[in-house]
Amino acid sequence: EGQLVESGGGLIQPGESLRLSCTASGFSVSDNVMNWVRQAPGKGLEWVSDIYPDGRTYYGGPAAGRFTISRDIPRNTLYLQMNSVRVEDTAVYYCARESMWKYDMWGPGTRVIVSS
Amino acid sequence: EIVLTQSPATLSLSPGERATLSCRAAQNINRFLHWYQQKPGQAPRLLIYDISNRATGVPARFSGSGSGTDFTLTISSLEPEDFAVYYCQQRTSWPTFGQGTKLEIK
Repeated sequence: EGQLVESGGGLIQPGESLRLSCTASGFSVSDNVMNWVRQAPGKGLEWVSDIYPDGRTYYGGPAAGRFTISRDIPRNTLYLQMNSVRVEDTAVYYCARESMWKYDMWGPGTRVIVSS
Repeated sequence: EIVLTQSPATLSLSPGERATLSCRAAQNINRFLHWYQQKPGQAPRLLIYDISNRATGVPARFSGSGSGTDFTLTISSLEPEDFAVYYCQQRTSWPTFGQGTKLEIK
């Protein structure tokens, strides 16, 4: 059926940049709506961004203007470029495949810690 | 943005009991109302999609119902592995999640 594996998380300082990756196997990221969803420590789930098969991209409030979602089709990989990060961006970031408007596959997540 | 409010925040029950979790939307939403289960240290897992359809491999003790603004996830007889956090999510507009209901062992 396939899987998703995120990478690229780590400890960064406020104002810095970080790029998260999500490599898919068993299906093509370009054929599906792909999402980033995050979860702050001890908190609930928050949608960050998505990218459609035709390339349209959308962002939730906290990400707008600072984050960029993209994909590399030959590498079958989804990215999230995070710029000007803030302490409140600290979270586990999940990539998720959206099929018929539901998230039917999730990666294990990658942890981002923003701290000085 | 459509706000989803889940209740209760915490539900304490014993194995074998029936669990009823609620998700209320601030405005009418279409059939794209889904439920996810999350265990500590794990990614969420799709349980119920489009209000009442069980995802692949989900046991029959899980069921979903509702319409308009009020939705319910029911677990007919709790098994030890069912104790987790449950989130509802809507896709009528920008995706939003409820704040979660923690189902804990009494």
